[in-house]
Amino acid sequence: GAGVSQSPRYKVAKRGQDVALRCDPISGHVSLFWYQQALGQGPEFLTYFQNEAQLDKSGLPSDRFFAERPEGSVSTLKIQRTQQEDSAVYLCASSLPGDREQYFGPGTRLTVT
Amino acid sequence: DAKTTQPNSMESNEEEPVHLPCNHSTISGTDYIHWYRQLPSQGPEYVIHGLTSNVNNRMASLAIAEDRKSSTLILHRATLRDAAVYYCIRGDSGNTPLVFGKGTRLSVIA
Repeated sequence: GAGVSQSPRYKVAKRGQDVALRCDPISGHVSLFWYQQALGQGPEFLTYFQNEAQLDKSGLPSDRFFAERPEGSVSTLKIQRTQQEDSAVYLCASSLPGDREQYFGPGTRLTVT
Repeated sequence: DAKTTQPNSMESNEEEPVHLPCNHSTISGTDYIHWYRQLPSQGPEYVIHGLTSNVNNRMASLAIAEDRKSSTLILHRATLRDAAVYYCIRGDSGNTPLVFGKGTRLSVIA
């Protein structure tokens, strides 16, 4: 079946531009997570949704980062006024209630020039 | 704070078993041990998880020490396709954020 998909796969933005990254979770998956992975590092948690409710946004590095999931399915991570330090791979994962496994998408590689 | 400790890298010959160690000395009684791996240019993928007993699935085996302060992921016959970064994660469930460390980069030599 279809897994988690993310778009775009690659994004180049000039410093100061706004970007929007999309995540399509597996159908029926209630939980949705965003992670940021810098080069050579493990993924780091950004934010977490259960259905449309954002239950935890403690990992968002600044108020330039904003995530939404208005209908409890597709989610968008928006970064305003991008900075070079925002360059990373942004990963989305989804899971079912009670499931111990998170299913990851391929990620969006963001490069800020 | 990943709260687990893994070697930075390991190397294995193809078709030989691989034992990937992980220390989690401060693990709580309710924390599961999860293993994920990340192949180049892909998102992490689930490998296996366990609580107290050793676990086997089609991908790997997980051996958990009796005191639960360490565990070992066992790949029974490494293939070139198993070359990846392997992450050992302690946590509650798949419905809570995963805390990744740097993982172990496994190289497989033909």
